[in-house]
Amino acid sequence: DAKTTQPNSMESNEEEPVHLPCNHSTISGTDYIHWYRQLPSQGPEYVIHGLTSNVNNRMASLAIAEDRKSSTLILHRATLRDAAVYYCILRDVGQGNTGKLIFGQGTTLQVKP
Amino acid sequence: DSGVTQTPKHLITATGQRVTLRCSPRSGDLSVYWYQQSLDQGLQFLIQYYNGEERAKGNILERFSAQQFPDLHSELNLSSLELGDSALYFCASSVGLAGFSGETQYFGPGTRLLVL
Repeated sequence: DAKTTQPNSMESNEEEPVHLPCNHSTISGTDYIHWYRQLPSQGPEYVIHGLTSNVNNRMASLAIAEDRKSSTLILHRATLRDAAVYYCILRDVGQGNTGKLIFGQGTTLQVKP
Repeated sequence: DSGVTQTPKHLITATGQRVTLRCSPRSGDLSVYWYQQSLDQGLQFLIQYYNGEERAKGNILERFSAQQFPDLHSELNLSSLELGDSALYFCASSVGLAGFSGETQYFGPGTRLLVL
């Protein structure tokens, strides 16, 4: 499984944008970039995913580098409820893949009021 | 609320004992995944079932086993428990086998196991 590298922690001020980086230099052609987050005392929840193009949804935006070796999760206006551990995960959808998620250490995001 | 339910929420037991954790997937989801989250190992994939059949195994100990029943609920059995088995155990479900990019896994609230 291809690996990802994320900063251990980041801080943000409330109502400001947050850019969470992820490096994945060994990404393969069939790897999709998924982001999950885990709020305190809860199970992980899906945030967003993409392959090559930038993606937007109601929760966040995902910016993917042209060479796909890195990506950035963007929270446009951080709220206190966004304080969580954010995981960047590569999911191989090639033949034989089962969809299991391989979690790294993630980035702990602290949001200050 | 993800739609995935797990029981019990908390479990305290002694070393050497056996426990069963239960998971009910979201309505319509055929895949069930089990994950273990401990302080030193982080979130680790244990095992996956799809429509009653085992599909993938991760770092699951031989003392642990799982099954998925015809009604699609799943149970994770942990036996000969050790102190190091204390952890959060999450169940997740998805529609299929994740053969397409957009498939999302929905996680339950977890079962917190404490082995004394």
